[in-house]
Amino acid sequence: QKEVEQNSGPLSVPEGAIASLNCTYSDRGSQSFFWYRQYSGKSPELIMSIYSNGDKEDGRFTAQLNKASQYVSLLIRDSQPSDSATYLCAVLNTGNQFYFGTGTSLTVIP
Amino acid sequence: DGGITQSPKYLFRKEGQNVTLSCEQNLNHDAMYWYRQDPGQGLRLIYYSQIVNDFQKGDIAEGYSVSREKKESFPLTVTSAQKNPTAFYLCASSIGQFWNQPQHFGDGTRLSIL
Repeated sequence: QKEVEQNSGPLSVPEGAIASLNCTYSDRGSQSFFWYRQYSGKSPELIMSIYSNGDKEDGRFTAQLNKASQYVSLLIRDSQPSDSATYLCAVLNTGNQFYFGTGTSLTVIP
Repeated sequence: DGGITQSPKYLFRKEGQNVTLSCEQNLNHDAMYWYRQDPGQGLRLIYYSQIVNDFQKGDIAEGYSVSREKKESFPLTVTSAQKNPTAFYLCASSIGQFWNQPQHFGDGTRLSIL
């Protein structure tokens, strides 16, 4: 079982819709969770961090964490074509090791 | 501005040649990492270092070597033993262990075989 799993997609949504990206992790004791955005040919950039159960909002982005289900998600409201990218989920586990998912490719259709 | 600088942006390797990728950070971070990313693939950890003069192998260390003589610098050497080196190489850093803080990435080096 992989430490972090994401659906690879591709996920396509129309402009203005909500994009929902999901991630599960295997180490139940993990405490820190991150979402990165990676445009084609570029390096990943951090867009959200979440540490506690529940929702964390930052502009059009909402990260959701459910530790009991070992599940973390990223919602993008009012999706824009500029949101088209690959989104990487990362988890810092109990051994202080970072693990990245393989990423979900998102395309926002104008 | 604080950040992570990788150089060069593009690098070409000849058969049998070792090449070194530079990674420098001025964020005062203790931990540094090297990843390899192949087209359409996720990140694979090559080496990481939590402190100066110490480093550990990641999942795909064969054919690579690193050093950590200074806190700011974590160069990666791709040796001739790495038979398929063509990839996008990413250097990252974080504050360090036990801080629960994210990694931040440089802009990457794209390595190709001549």
